[in-house]
Amino acid sequence: QVHLVQSGAEVKKPGASVKVSCKASGYTLFSNAIHWVRQAPGQRPEWMGWINAGNGNTKYSQKFQGRVTITRDTSATTAYMELYSLRSEDTAVYYCASGGDDYGAYVLGYWGQGTLVTVSS
Amino acid sequence: SFVLTQPPSVSVAPGKTARITCGENNIGSQSVHWYQQKPGQAPVLVIYYDSDRPSGIPERFSGSNSGNTATLTISRVEAGDEADYYCQVWDSSSDHPFGGGTKLTVL
Repeated sequence: QVHLVQSGAEVKKPGASVKVSCKASGYTLFSNAIHWVRQAPGQRPEWMGWINAGNGNTKYSQKFQGRVTITRDTSATTAYMELYSLRSEDTAVYYCASGGDDYGAYVLGYWGQGTLVTVSS
Repeated sequence: SFVLTQPPSVSVAPGKTARITCGENNIGSQSVHWYQQKPGQAPVLVIYYDSDRPSGIPERFSGSNSGNTATLTISRVEAGDEADYYCQVWDSSSDHPFGGGTKLTVL
């Protein structure tokens, strides 16, 4: 059973950065992709980027390019998403998601519980 | 790039069929996924690659994709199906966009 557990809620000031973690269990993160998706209040989800947990290759949405970094630890059990230069519009729930072994790299079949990031002065 | 258009709301009586559309020019040439999201919860995959259904998702959920419209069909609608539904096109050139979402109300 694939399980993705994210770190807790964060409150940040404008200009700061935030780093959210996503720990995988029930499957080998190493052979899979981890995606990050955010959802602002009342808005549609928005894909931010992904990492190939095996080789560490990443691809980012054009919207977030240069302002986000996705990494994973060397044991490949935890992925991270760091967003820089936060502004109020970045207030959202941030999700990690994966296809696991069941769906492959291009389907968001499993989701973390979400991490609320609030940006406020 | 893709701009996916969904109706903001669909209402259906229990036991009837709900159809939720996702429109974009030539969407039939792309892979479409559908997610169900209940308030305060993470999205749940209900249909992938246009018409495949994950294990654990009832057979009442089905999908199709042709021409300019992808459709999620929910047969024999139940109260527990009430949720927001989002389509997503898997297209790297447009950063895998989501539709605006459709709120399904069970009357």
